[in-house]
Amino acid sequence: NAGVMQNPRHLVRRRGQEARLRCSPMKGHSHVYWYRQLPEEGLKFMVYLQKENIIDESGMPKERFSAEFPKEGPSILRIQQVVRGDSAAYFCASSPPEGYYGYTFGSGTRLTVV
Amino acid sequence: QQQVKQSPQSLIVQKGGIPIINCAYENTAFDYFPWYQQFPGKGPALLIAIRPDVSEKKEGRFTISFNKSAKQFSLHIMDSQPGDSATYFCAGGATNKLIFGTGTLLAVQP
Repeated sequence: NAGVMQNPRHLVRRRGQEARLRCSPMKGHSHVYWYRQLPEEGLKFMVYLQKENIIDESGMPKERFSAEFPKEGPSILRIQQVVRGDSAAYFCASSPPEGYYGYTFGSGTRLTVV
Repeated sequence: QQQVKQSPQSLIVQKGGIPIINCAYENTAFDYFPWYQQFPGKGPALLIAIRPDVSEKKEGRFTISFNKSAKQFSLHIMDSQPGDSATYFCAGGATNKLIFGTGTLLAVQP
């Protein structure tokens, strides 16, 4: 029973490029959450998705960031035109329908913008 | 309103000591208070969690104490071991999202 799978583990992008981060939830989990962790800081909520629906995107920057969780396939966090300030660890969590009481985090994608 | 304040930022204890990490929250809508443990290069892992209708919860060497009126909660680690050296995050949960504290880097010296 695999846990939350995130890939790639490490991603290096030049300024102005696009970054795509993928997250496959645990089997049986239908809710996906994305968090960002800056160095020396805690995790900041970005977005909460269910299949084909964005439920809460109150933590997403207004520009350049988007997320989706299609009917088939992993959830994708997309960052367009990356800047150095986007360098961070991005963690995905999934939960069963009961919500965050059953949160499980993936190992994260560490994005470095050069 | 949404903040969770965590202290101390870092903590060093000797093996067998009892580190205590404290958190305070403002949002009275929080109905779930988990603690997560994170090792370098890994994702956070749920350690223990409490609901606001309970004042204390123990799981193995880990205890959460919860004071609803003061809006504070704390993590105690009994008989700490070098393997407990990690970063610990508290959080408050409401409407399907968690608001995290800034973390405590714990070092347990042999």
